[in-house]
Amino acid sequence: TQLLEQSPQFLSIQEGENLTVYCNSSSVFSSLQWYRQEPGEGPVLLVTVVTGGEVKKLKRLTFQFGDARKDSSLHITAAQPGDTGLYLCAGGNDYKLSFGAGTTVTVRA
Amino acid sequence: NAGVTQTPKFQVLKTGQSMTLQCAQDMNHNSMYWYRQDPGMGLRLIYYSASEGTTDKGEVPNGYNVSRLNKREFSLRLESAAPSQTSVYFCAIETGAGANVLTFGAGSRLTVL
Repeated sequence: TQLLEQSPQFLSIQEGENLTVYCNSSSVFSSLQWYRQEPGEGPVLLVTVVTGGEVKKLKRLTFQFGDARKDSSLHITAAQPGDTGLYLCAGGNDYKLSFGAGTTVTVRA
Repeated sequence: NAGVTQTPKFQVLKTGQSMTLQCAQDMNHNSMYWYRQDPGMGLRLIYYSASEGTTDKGEVPNGYNVSRLNKREFSLRLESAAPSQTSVYFCAIETGAGANVLTFGAGSRLTVL
């Protein structure tokens, strides 16, 4: 059983469309991170959120941390083929970082 | 993945063989981690090391041993490989103070026949 549940598992959209990926848990985290991973590479950090209700924007990406610090969402506006990849959320407490199973996003040109 | 180097990148083993995955960092950070990644399972923590000379078990430590002899290197050893250990292994270092921020290596793909 995953501590962090991500949905959907797969997402395929046309260039220019918007998408949202969700990350949910029954546990409270002191921080939550989003990583993107491309084939043959390790995950690369996109953002860290630490405050309940926090919203962070990174160009066309918007990240939100739930008020109770148990869930998060990643929204991409006007997706581009370069956004294609595996998106992983990870919740942190003390030394431990627990990962969701990931959402594979494919943006078609 | 600059700063974290994993070797080898690919390895094929037969059941029962042993091998060591190597990880080295040039960023002078204390905490290092070994994860495995399997389809549909995300990244699962095998072992971690908070500092030179200390190691602790993670979520899935069975069948693995680790060694942190110095600050720079953290190795993962499979003493008797099993097909269930076929996976992609990632080494990571903690680079964000107080927020569990990790920088990963490029991964080592291991196949056990």
